[in-house]
Amino acid sequence: KAGVTQTPRYLIKTRGQQVTLSCSPISGHRSVSWYQQTPGQGLQFLFEYFSETQRNKGNFPGRFSGRQFSNSRSEMNVSTLELGDSALYLCASSFPPGENTEAFFGQGTRLTVV
Amino acid sequence: AQSVTQLDSQVPVFEEAPVELRCNYSSSVSVYLFWYVQYPNQGLQLLLKYLSGSTLVKGINGFEAEFNKSQTSFHLRKPSVHISDTAEYFCAVSLLGAKLVFGAGTILRVKS
Repeated sequence: KAGVTQTPRYLIKTRGQQVTLSCSPISGHRSVSWYQQTPGQGLQFLFEYFSETQRNKGNFPGRFSGRQFSNSRSEMNVSTLELGDSALYLCASSFPPGENTEAFFGQGTRLTVV
Repeated sequence: AQSVTQLDSQVPVFEEAPVELRCNYSSSVSVYLFWYVQYPNQGLQLLLKYLSGSTLVKGINGFEAEFNKSQTSFHLRKPSVHISDTAEYFCAVSLLGAKLVFGAGTILRVKS
């Protein structure tokens, strides 16, 4: 069974640009969550999608957005990139969301903003 | 709101020695508790989880953790560590499993 796949693994962008990251969950998983990991702030929850609907949102500015497709694949978008957006972005999938579930993480996308 | 405190940022230990990584949590309601491990340039791998039942939880790679409700702790232990256990370990809490609140992480350095 394939794990959670995140693409691309590495990305370098310039300040002011926008970026889209992709996450393919484990087959059958319908919940996808996104996390940002930085040395200063640690692991922080961005948002969670289930059945194409955002169910939970963390405390991030509106420049961070996401969506989920009917096949459960998810994308997150960051617009007007800032240097502080440099981070490892992790995607996690689970099924079903709720009790007795665990989150399976992808290897992450390392975003560097220059 | 839930929060997690990992009491040690780094724990150095010699190979084959026992280790304990400490985790305290704060929550006004019952939560689910997790320990994840992260190797360099990798994602997170679940070591073990406490959902309910026995307070002693056994996980992968010989790790175990004990849930202590009165002390709101969920410390991770291993009786004998290996060089390959060198990694960063994260304690996390969740209400429903989908949204995890993580601690700051503890770097375990195993020395030969």
